[in-house]
Amino acid sequence: DQQVKQNSPSLSVQEGRISILNCDYTNSMFDYFLWYKKYPAEGPTFLISISSIKDKNEDGRFTVFLNKSAKHLSLHIVPSQPGDSAVYFCAASRGGSEKLVFGKGTKLTVNP
Amino acid sequence: GAGVSQSPSNKVTEKGKDVELRCDPISGHTALYWYRQRLGQGLEFLIYFQGNSAPDKSGLPSDRFSAERTGESVSTLTIQRTQQEDSAVYLCASSLLGGYNSPLHFGNGTRLTVT
Repeated sequence: DQQVKQNSPSLSVQEGRISILNCDYTNSMFDYFLWYKKYPAEGPTFLISISSIKDKNEDGRFTVFLNKSAKHLSLHIVPSQPGDSAVYFCAASRGGSEKLVFGKGTKLTVNP
Repeated sequence: GAGVSQSPSNKVTEKGKDVELRCDPISGHTALYWYRQRLGQGLEFLIYFQGNSAPDKSGLPSDRFSAERTGESVSTLTIQRTQQEDSAVYLCASSLLGGYNSPLHFGNGTRLTVT
């Protein structure tokens, strides 16, 4: 049972445009959500997070939106840069647990 | 370097053999985690250490898997009698304290191939 779903395996955008990566979850107990970025042959690196008490968190070019009623979150990257090309993982956790539940990832390609 | 270090980076083993994977966390990080990523899948939680104790080992797939941490530092993940389904990238991560405000820092992983 996949509790965190990233339904788009890949996404291609033009440099300078907006990238929107989507993530859906099924467990209503999740209260903290994170995005990680992964380059080939490297471990994931933390990008941005959001608590369930918020609906938006922004850090530079990266903004995460959370829609609790729809159990949906999205990561917006504006403007997209070629260096953003990587696999992006959505992850979720619930209070009291150190365990992160990850989606399968979306491979983003930003074309120059 | 100051990052999480894992060794070996690659390991090929025959089915039925035991393997040991090593993780050196960032110095001073009290929390340590093991995850694995099978081909085409997301990261799968295995075990969490706080100091040398493992309060959550719920993700270990079977009793062939075990892990320990010593000196609140190095951790080893041992897989006994490896099976082909154990083939995956095994990722170690550490965080300063654990919890929401302490992001995980991942190593580059050990790619395990069981033939």
